[in-house]
Amino acid sequence: AQSVTQLDSQVPVFEEAPVELRCNYSSSVSVYLFWYVQYPNQGLQLLLKYLSGSTLVKGINGFEAEFNKSQTSFHLRKPSVHISDTAEYFCAGAGGGSYIPTFGRGTSLIVHP
Amino acid sequence: EAQVTQNPRYLITVTGKKLTVTCSQNMNHEYMSWYRQDPGLGLRQIYYSMNVEVTDKGDVPEGYKVSRKEKRNFPLILESPSPNQTSLYFCASSFSGQVGILNTQYFGPGTRLTVL
Repeated sequence: AQSVTQLDSQVPVFEEAPVELRCNYSSSVSVYLFWYVQYPNQGLQLLLKYLSGSTLVKGINGFEAEFNKSQTSFHLRKPSVHISDTAEYFCAGAGGGSYIPTFGRGTSLIVHP
Repeated sequence: EAQVTQNPRYLITVTGKKLTVTCSQNMNHEYMSWYRQDPGLGLRQIYYSMNVEVTDKGDVPEGYKVSRKEKRNFPLILESPSPNQTSLYFCASSFSGQVGILNTQYFGPGTRLTVL
């Protein structure tokens, strides 16, 4: 089964700066990858997903992620963050024989004014 | 409006007192799942259900039960809660099969449970 590792538990950044949230995956067999966002006191919602095809995936709210097979990574990026992007971000992966996603430990993005 | 609802949203209880957290979805989804979220541990799957009367253990099923008698409902039962079950719980649903589950899971708003 697929597993994912989020390398940073917390990422502080100033408003309008670029940000990258890192995620690495384990299995190279039939990889399916996701990023979810959890705003304070809310459930999770899907930001973007990679199932196949183009390695650059664009999601909602100006986020994008790139599937990199050689580095087994699926990092999330945004060129200019807003205060409202402050949230918990979860990378999730499926594959390696299972299509039920498993979640990483989460990265807390804190955007400062 | 398409949604997953959970009740209650907040619950404080005592050790050993049986409780049920309800989950309901109005999207005719076959797949439903329960997660718990703990600081530093992310989301861990407790149980999931591929369809009515079909349930299976996730990563952390100990101390929990589920049932799936109707397509729309997937209650989580704690027969004898203990303090280590204090957590934030999420229910999620999606269409079934590889195409369904891999596309979008819809999450409920969460239930914050405290067991004293």
